[in-house]
Amino acid sequence: EAGVAQSPRYKIIEKRQSVAFWCNPISGHATLYWYQQILGQGPKLLIQFQNNGVVDDSQLPKDRFSAERLKGVDSTLKIQPAKLEDSAVYLCASSRASVSNEQFFGPGTRLTVL
Amino acid sequence: EDKVVQSPLSLVVHEGDTVTLNCSYEVTNFRSLLWYKQEKKAPTFLFMLTSSGIEKKSGRLSSILDKKELFSILNITATQTGDSAIYLCAVEAGGTSYGKLTFGQGTILTVHP
Repeated sequence: EAGVAQSPRYKIIEKRQSVAFWCNPISGHATLYWYQQILGQGPKLLIQFQNNGVVDDSQLPKDRFSAERLKGVDSTLKIQPAKLEDSAVYLCASSRASVSNEQFFGPGTRLTVL
Repeated sequence: EDKVVQSPLSLVVHEGDTVTLNCSYEVTNFRSLLWYKQEKKAPTFLFMLTSSGIEKKSGRLSSILDKKELFSILNITATQTGDSAIYLCAVEAGGTSYGKLTFGQGTILTVHP
């Protein structure tokens, strides 16, 4: 079974620029998560989708972050405009929530904002 | 607000040593506790614990949950250099927050030859 795919793996941008990350979950996994992991910290949930609906986005900074999962499969996370403190690894995870909430993580995208 | 605290924050041992990693938590509507191993980037799943006092075991790794005292431990026996990683503990909430994981800050384990 193919794992969670993410791209790009690395991104360097200037502050105030925009950036987008892409995630393709494991086939058949209805639930998709985006996490932000700042160096030295554990991952923090930004947004959770169940199919193409948002379940939890309480920790998403909505003034600059947005995410969508239009067809209930792959998802994009956007930051516009980026700030220095957005430098982090952005992890995507998916789970077959109806069976188990074991979450499978993608390799992540390391974002550096200069 | 749900909270997970891990200790120690870092640990340096030699091959063959046994280590114990700790995780304490406060969560509304507890559903499960999970342990992940993170090497380089993607966390990989180790254990999911839902019941107190039942040890989960996989090779040299084992874990147990105490729901009364709100903590879990992860034991690694006969450590190897390949065990060097960040070990993350997370708690899963139930109810309307079903599936939401709150992670601790992780324990950095370094195993020297």
